[in-house]
Parts: sequence; structure tokens; C-alpha cells
Amino acid sequence: EAQVTQNPRYLITVTGKKLTVTCSQNMNHEYMSWYRQDPGLGLRQIYYSMNVEVTDKGDVPEGYKVSRKEKRNFPLILESPSPNQTSLYFCASSLAGGELFFGEGSRLTVL
Amino acid sequence: KQEVTQIPAALSVPEGENLVLNCSFTDSAIYNLQWFRQDPGKGLTSLLLIQSSQREQTSGRLNASLDKSSGRSTLYIAASQPGDSATYLCAVWTYALNFGKGTSLLVTP
Repeated sequence: EAQVTQNPRYLITVTGKKLTVTCSQNMNHEYMSWYRQDPGLGLRQIYYSMNVEVTDKGDVPEGYKVSRKEKRNFPLILESPSPNQTSLYFCASSLAGGELFFGEGSRLTVL
Repeated sequence: KQEVTQIPAALSVPEGENLVLNCSFTDSAIYNLQWFRQDPGKGLTSLLLIQSSQREQTSGRLNASLDKSSGRSTLYIAASQPGDSATYLCAVWTYALNFGKGTSLLVTP
């Protein structure tokens, strides 16, 4: 089954404790991206990747890192999480300019 | 920068009505436009994808149209049902992917 898988789905952590949210897709898509969704602000792009080893900042990259060492994986790294990073995070993938597929989301709470 | 606007922000209709959701964008040089549905706390489900060369796409009771020259797309939902209650988002591919903030739809029995 074609899908985008995110883990963990739910996470509560404390300020400053490094964490990684994984994202994997099985559709051989070149394009992958991360979004955060907050009430009243809509979906905002954090980082995106057009292919392996190619990543670019989106609209809200501060406090986040990504890597794209393999085509199927695009982890989101929070080196030192802060409470303002409490949000619902989505990973998505597509062929370049094609239909975008989303993961189920990861709800992160930073205390 | 591409700006994507969805009007109205919220909509409540009785069951059975036909309705139209609007999406407008400022840069007409798009690759495609995609409509999504999102249930509360859930991920986004793709509804329809319209390529820049197309004028419309249909899936069941849904029909999406695209008018690049005027920077507009509409999502038409026929014979609405309570199960259609959700937030509907449009996303536009230009040199980047830009989302509208969505229209929250409530269909009452």
C-alpha cells in the first residue's frame, strides 16, 4: 500500500531534549516536505527536499534540521525543542509537481 | 510569493445542498492545484488534482475547476451530506507549494 509513515504519532517531551520525527515513503517520490499546523495559522512549510542530498528551507525553518540521505526517508530533527514548537507536524511526498500524499501527523508537546 | 486565499473561512449548510468552495491565487504560473480534505486532528486526504493544462476534474459528487488566467479554482460538492463535514484546503504548486488556510464546512442533518 502506497503510504507516508510518520513516527512517533504522539510525543510529549521537555525543553532542550533532542528529538527526531521520522518520515518514510514507499512511492519512490523525489519530493518530500515537512509542515507544521497551528490553529489560525494553517499549514506552514518547515523544510523541503527535491531529491537525495538536496534540502531547502521553507517558511518556518528556525529550530529545525532535516536530512535526506536516502530517497525514502526525510527525518525532522529538533535539536533543542522549545514550547513554541508544540504543534501538529505533517510529512508529505510527491513526484515533482505531482499529487501530494500526507502522513497521518505527529502531535508534539514540548513542556 | 504565491498567496493562496480560501473564502469563506467557514460555512454551515443543511444536508442536501449543493455548495461551492473558493480558492484564489496570485501567481497564475502554476504547475497544478490540489484540493484536500482534513478531519479534525487527522492528516490531509487528497481529493482532486488539476494539472495546469486541465480545466476541471471530477470524482463522485466532487468537481473542481481551474481558471488560471483569473487565478481561481472552485470545489463543487453536490448533494452535501453530514459526512462531508471537514476542513477543505487547496494547495498550489508554482516554484514552491503554497496552501490556503482552508474552509471549515459543517453539514447539518
